[in-house]
Amino acid sequence: DAGVIQSPRHEVTEMGQEVTLRCKPISGHDYLFWYRQTMMRGLELLIYFNNNVPIDDSGMPEDRFSAKMPNASFSTLKIQPSEPRDSAVYFCASGDRGRNYGYTFGSGTRLTVV
Amino acid sequence: AQTVTQSQPEMSVQEAETVTLSCTYDTSENNYYLFWYKQPPSRQMILVIRQEAYKQQNATENRFSVNFQKAAKSFSLKISDSQLGDTAMYFCAFSLAGGTSYGKLTFGQGTILTVHP
Repeated sequence: DAGVIQSPRHEVTEMGQEVTLRCKPISGHDYLFWYRQTMMRGLELLIYFNNNVPIDDSGMPEDRFSAKMPNASFSTLKIQPSEPRDSAVYFCASGDRGRNYGYTFGSGTRLTVV
Repeated sequence: AQTVTQSQPEMSVQEAETVTLSCTYDTSENNYYLFWYKQPPSRQMILVIRQEAYKQQNATENRFSVNFQKAAKSFSLKISDSQLGDTAMYFCAFSLAGGTSYGKLTFGQGTILTVHP
């Protein structure tokens, strides 16, 4: 089990550019979550999917953010256009509800928008 | 809405000693889960321990145990025989059980724990 795999680990981009973060969940997990971590706001849930379908995107900060899950093994979080206030660590996590509510985080992507 | 509060921004402990991290939460629901996550400098979020609200018995995982007081809405983490590798940020988290609430964690602000040799 390779765990939840996120890429890239670090991303530095200029304001206004498009940024795409990627996530490969653990095989067999039917839930996928995107969280954001900042010093000011702590850990926030952005969006989550069940069986590739978005269930709750109420945490997505604004229309510049979008997330997709085209299949069970891949998800993206896109920011277009990026702004300096989007700088944060973005975590992906996957889970299997049938396994007693445990789920696993990836190592995160540290995004810096300059 | 649910809230989670960790009132200790920082804690320190000597190696091999015991330390307790505090967490309180607020909810009007009766069926939920509580978690402690560890985030070392590598920033990986690691699940330390989980407690189901309907279970009265406190969860234990090796050196880690919790004191779950449902009526008081308190969920503290005790680390016994502290090791240098326990140095990390610790987050308390809450999740409602059932329905569409699975996995929607609400996190506390975190407690930075430093273990000194």
